[in-house]
Formats: sequence, C-alpha cells, structure tokens
Amino acid sequence: GQNIDQPTEMTATEGAIVQINCTYQTSGFNGLFWYQQHAGEAPTFLSYNVLDGLEEKGRFSSFLSRSKGYSYLLLKELQMKDSASYLCAVRDSNYQLIWGAGTKLIIKP
Amino acid sequence: NAGVTQTPKFRVLKTGQSMTLLCAQDMNHEYMYWYRQDPGMGLRLIHYSVGEGTTAKGEVPDGYNVSRLKKQNFLLGLESAAPSQTSVYFCASRQGIPSEKLFFGSGTQLSVL
Repeated sequence: GQNIDQPTEMTATEGAIVQINCTYQTSGFNGLFWYQQHAGEAPTFLSYNVLDGLEEKGRFSSFLSRSKGYSYLLLKELQMKDSASYLCAVRDSNYQLIWGAGTKLIIKP
Repeated sequence: NAGVTQTPKFRVLKTGQSMTLLCAQDMNHEYMYWYRQDPGMGLRLIHYSVGEGTTAKGEVPDGYNVSRLKKQNFLLGLESAAPSQTSVYFCASRQGIPSEKLFFGSGTQLSVL
C-alpha cells in the first residue's frame, strides 16, 4: 500500500527553527508537495520538489531525498502566524496525490 | 479574481437526505478535484475531472456522484447521506502541468445526523 508518514504534532518557540519530516512509500514518484493549512481554512501551497536537494523560499525550505523516500520542511525565524498544520503530499505513478495526515505545529511565545 | 469558490460553507443533513455541493473556478483550469478531510487522516480523493464533460473515481467514491458539464463548475452530489459522510469537503483545481499546485476552495463542513 501507499503511505505517507509525518509526526502528528510538534511544538516550537517563536524565533526558532523547526524541521518537519515526511517519509513516504508510494507506487512511483512524480513530485512531492508541502501545503500549509491554518485551522478552519483551506490548504495553501508552500513548495514542490521533484529532484533531490534543497529548495529555498524565504523563511521556508524543503528538502528531498528520493532514494530514502524522505523529505523535510524547514521553517526559520518562526512567527506566531506559522502555527498551522503542514501537509506532505506525493504524486504517484498515476499522477494522483497521496496525502499525509499532516503535522500540527504549535508556536509558543 | 475569486479563484475557487465552494458553496455552501456549512450544512446539516439528516440520514437519507440528498444535497449538492457546488465548486466554481475562474482560472480556466482543466483539472478539478473533490476531497474529504477527516481528523487524523490525510485528504482523500473522492472524484476528479480532467476536463469538461469528464469525471473519474478517486480513492473513496462510494456514496457520491459528480458532474462537470461546464469547465468552470464541478458538482458533488450525495444521493442518500449517511453519518459516515460527516466530514469537511474541499474542492480544488489546477492547470494541466503535473508540477502545478492545487488551488483549494474554502471548504464545506457537512454534518449528517
């Protein structure tokens, strides 16, 4: 079966750095996405990785290792508004998205 | 530019009732999707469409039907609602490029009593 694993919940301090991991086992691989979802709202796109390595976009970076079936989202200089759930999703060989259950990130002052 | 608009935002149904959720996008996107989101689970694909007049089943299609008569609209129907269909429903759309991100509607909170 296909599976995406992420920690259920993480806590971090304002101004700090946090790394949210995502491991996947899917039938084929055609890209990995990270989305942010604030409580009661729709998911919004953060990043896309299809090749190994690090993609940096402002305070957020996303890393991919296809050989290890592993990705992480790195958030720097955390702000209170970063409190949200972070969803990892992998596009499989049929170009369908398989979603993780999400990681709820709690930011404390 | 409205993006993806879902209606209604909230709905309470009794078991056996029917309803239709409407999704409209103004970005001329080819692909449209209906997902459900339940606590502790990832988004699950119900049905999707790769273009006007086409529909296909996703991971959890049972109990739902869809139609895409116009490119900008994607309707999700529940013919006979069941408590197991209590969920948050999201519509999403994207253009045809695989790397293209999804644009989501604001969601519909559906409760079936």
